[in-house]
Amino acid sequence: DARVTQTPRHKVTEMGQEVTMRCQPILGHNTVFWYRQTMMQGLELLAYFRNRAPLDDSGMPKDRFSAEMPDATLATLKIQPSEPRDSAVYFCASGLVRVSTDTQYFGPGTRLTVL
Amino acid sequence: KQEVTQIPAALSVPEGENLVLNCSFTDSAIYNLQWFRQDPGKGLTSLLLIQSSQREQTSGRLNASLDKSSGRSTLYIAASQPGDSATYLCAVIMDSNYQLIWGAGTKLIIKP
Repeated sequence: DARVTQTPRHKVTEMGQEVTMRCQPILGHNTVFWYRQTMMQGLELLAYFRNRAPLDDSGMPKDRFSAEMPDATLATLKIQPSEPRDSAVYFCASGLVRVSTDTQYFGPGTRLTVL
Repeated sequence: KQEVTQIPAALSVPEGENLVLNCSFTDSAIYNLQWFRQDPGKGLTSLLLIQSSQREQTSGRLNASLDKSSGRSTLYIAASQPGDSATYLCAVIMDSNYQLIWGAGTKLIIKP
């Protein structure tokens, strides 16, 4: 049963520290998305990649966030330096976006707490 | 700018009832609309996807309808069960790049 995996599942850090979240998309999927979910803002798209190339990262604070796909099996989201307002659940999703009925498959999320 | 609204924000009903969750969107030029389910502490699972040319989709006890012209979609759950308790999110897709624009969700509690 293919799944999107994310590590770590939980992360507690102090303000100013670097945080790296990792995602392993489903093998063969060509598109990877990063979302952030908070109680106040709900779900927001931060960035997404197609065939490892970044297509849109306009939802991401550029000064502190960066997203990369070093290879087809790994996507990373990095925050440096982290701030308390970054506390949220970060979801990765992948999909094989070819036709209009293709869907996204979500990982379990990384719950980030910045003190 | 597309905005997606879900009403109600929370709903609690006894087991066995049929219920309707509502989703509205401001820009009717959507590509697809999708309903997801989110269980506490977990990721999201796709329930139904309706293409812009379709009126409805069904899966088991779930039926989703789409009225693009009025900017509305409903998710109908028949014969609700305690296992249906979750947050249900509606998302619209504006183009083939498949970017999802999300509603805030409806938290559903089914009482045994």
